[in-house]
Amino acid sequence: AQSVAQPEDQVNVAEGNPLTVKCTYSVSGNPYLFWYVQYPNRGLQFLLKYITGDNLVKGSYGFEAEFNKSQTSFHLKKPSALVSDSALYFCAVRDNNAGNMLTFGGGTRLMVKP
Amino acid sequence: GAGVSQTPSNKVTEKGKYVELRCDPISGHTALYWYRQSLGQGPEFLIYFQGTGAADDSGLPNDRFFAVRPEGSVSTLKIQRTERGDSAVYLCASSHGQGTTEAFFGQGTRLTVV
Repeated sequence: AQSVAQPEDQVNVAEGNPLTVKCTYSVSGNPYLFWYVQYPNRGLQFLLKYITGDNLVKGSYGFEAEFNKSQTSFHLKKPSALVSDSALYFCAVRDNNAGNMLTFGGGTRLMVKP
Repeated sequence: GAGVSQTPSNKVTEKGKYVELRCDPISGHTALYWYRQSLGQGPEFLIYFQGTGAADDSGLPNDRFFAVRPEGSVSTLKIQRTERGDSAVYLCASSHGQGTTEAFFGQGTRLTVV
């Protein structure tokens, strides 16, 4: 079975500082990894994905994520946080040996303070 | 359409009633997913369609829940004999159907069972 863990319910960071939102996963095959963001009363918006190739992937709004196979992690990062980045972030995994089901983590609330 | 459309956006129903939630995916997307999101939690997988058939319905909580996609486009999630515990936001997503492609989400239907 595939699973995702987001160990932090909330991350607080000052505007202009770098941010990291953590994600670890478990799959039996090779992982396809995704990050989504959810603003209040909005649907989930796709940020970025890792399929294969470079471990560092870049996505929307200046976000990037680093795939680490040995640590089974896919942490989301941004060099300089904005207040407008405050939202709920979800990591998701799809096991390439287990069909198309996308499994989500519990989410991490990012709070960026001016 | 430009994105995944879900109707209604809000639905209030009495305990024991039957409800239908509709999802109109992005044109050309063969894969369609239904998720349920409770407050403060990540999306929980319900069912996945590839074309007209349900490829994976392992997430449906019980036989009160049923979903169809008769023509491989629009899908309807049906809930019989609703219970207060069914209250949640029901999310629909679609994708091109390959494991490497991201899913695009609708705004969701907020179901409240009173």
